[in-house]
Amino acid sequence: ETGVTQTPRHLVMGMTNKKSLKCEQHLGHNAMYWYKQSAKKPLELMFVYNFKEQTENNSVPSRFSPECPNSSHLFLHLHTLQPEDSALYLCASSQGTASNEKLFFGSGTQLSVL
Amino acid sequence: DAKTTQPNSMESNEEEPVHLPCNHSTISGTDYIHWYRQLPSQGPEYVIHGLTSNVNNRMASLAIAEDRKSSTLILHRATLRDAAVYYCILEKRGGADGLTFGKGTHLIIQP
Repeated sequence: ETGVTQTPRHLVMGMTNKKSLKCEQHLGHNAMYWYKQSAKKPLELMFVYNFKEQTENNSVPSRFSPECPNSSHLFLHLHTLQPEDSALYLCASSQGTASNEKLFFGSGTQLSVL
Repeated sequence: DAKTTQPNSMESNEEEPVHLPCNHSTISGTDYIHWYRQLPSQGPEYVIHGLTSNVNNRMASLAIAEDRKSSTLILHRATLRDAAVYYCILEKRGGADGLTFGKGTHLIIQP
């Protein structure tokens, strides 16, 4: 148990669906992250939030829309996805975004787009 | 950004020490060296990190070369639960908006 909880664990959606991934951390951290892990590829950083403000958007398509209502919760809203968006989506948190911080990851949401 | 090079895979026997190498010849003086591992069906977990000196914690030891162009993660006594992908990551001091993961080393532990 890392203190970072992601729901759902698995999600299957059609290309016209709208769905949301949820991440919650119970560690009192101020920074939260979304990563994407496609099969046989390294993890890719998508978004970074620090104190609810987005500080990094790593050229992510607009069909992925993050939301951070408070420091404990992070959402990833999905709409009109493509089959190539099928991947493991991982949420992480850290105390801050200074260097030397440890990242704590959730177990991820395995997304399949049909 | 400075890059790291790791072997794609390594194999070791249970209850023996494991030395996982990482080359980072273009490392700058302000880069931290982080190690994470990812067990099957889980997100990555922090293992250890250092800047210049060798580091020890309950999970592992990190040996950093004097010129800092390479480092080695040492698992002192491997168990089957240590089978995972191990990532060596450089993080620039003062500028960490997330970590950039590479392909890592797939560690296989034989019973």
